[in-house]
Amino acid sequence: KAGVTQTPRYLIKTRGQQVTLSCSPISGHRSVSWYQQTPGQGLQFLFEYFSETQRNKGNFPGRFSGRQFSNSRSEMNVSTLELGDSALYLCASSPDRGGYTFGSGTRLTVV
Amino acid sequence: KQEVTQIPAALSVPEGENLVLNCSFTDSAIYNLQWFRQDPGKGLTSLLLIQSSQREQTSGRLNASLDKSSGRSTLYIAASQPGDSATYLCALPRGRDDKIIFGKGTRLHILP
Repeated sequence: KAGVTQTPRYLIKTRGQQVTLSCSPISGHRSVSWYQQTPGQGLQFLFEYFSETQRNKGNFPGRFSGRQFSNSRSEMNVSTLELGDSALYLCASSPDRGGYTFGSGTRLTVV
Repeated sequence: KQEVTQIPAALSVPEGENLVLNCSFTDSAIYNLQWFRQDPGKGLTSLLLIQSSQREQTSGRLNASLDKSSGRSTLYIAASQPGDSATYLCALPRGRDDKIIFGKGTRLHILP
């Protein structure tokens, strides 16, 4: 059974640009959640989508947004990139109220 | 507000030793608890998922226990190997406010 797929694996962007990251969950999983991981802050929850609706949101500015499609695939968008947005972005899928399966992440570098 | 604490933050032990990693949480109203490992620069790999009705789960050399009443979970690693070197994270997938909460992890180094 295929795992959680995140694309792209690596990205380099310049300040002010925007970026879109993609996550394909495990088949049958309707919940997709996103996390930012940095050495200083650790793992921080961004938001969760369930059946195309945002169910939960972390404490990030409005520049961070996401959406989920009818096939449960999810995208995360960051606009007006800042140097501090450089991080490993992780996506996880889960059946409702079940455990989480993570993707390999997208490493974003903002220069 | 749920808080998850992992002790110790870092641990180095010789190969072959048995070891215990600790995770404590403040709110016992949990659905389940999940242990992950993370290798540098990589995603998280799920190790064990314990439902709130269970006391422990085992997978190979790993055993995780859960004591909701005391707000504690332990991850026991038997006969440690250099390949076990990684950061181990404890997570509460569904807290009272339905958000996943991670501990800051224990960085484990197994000395050959």
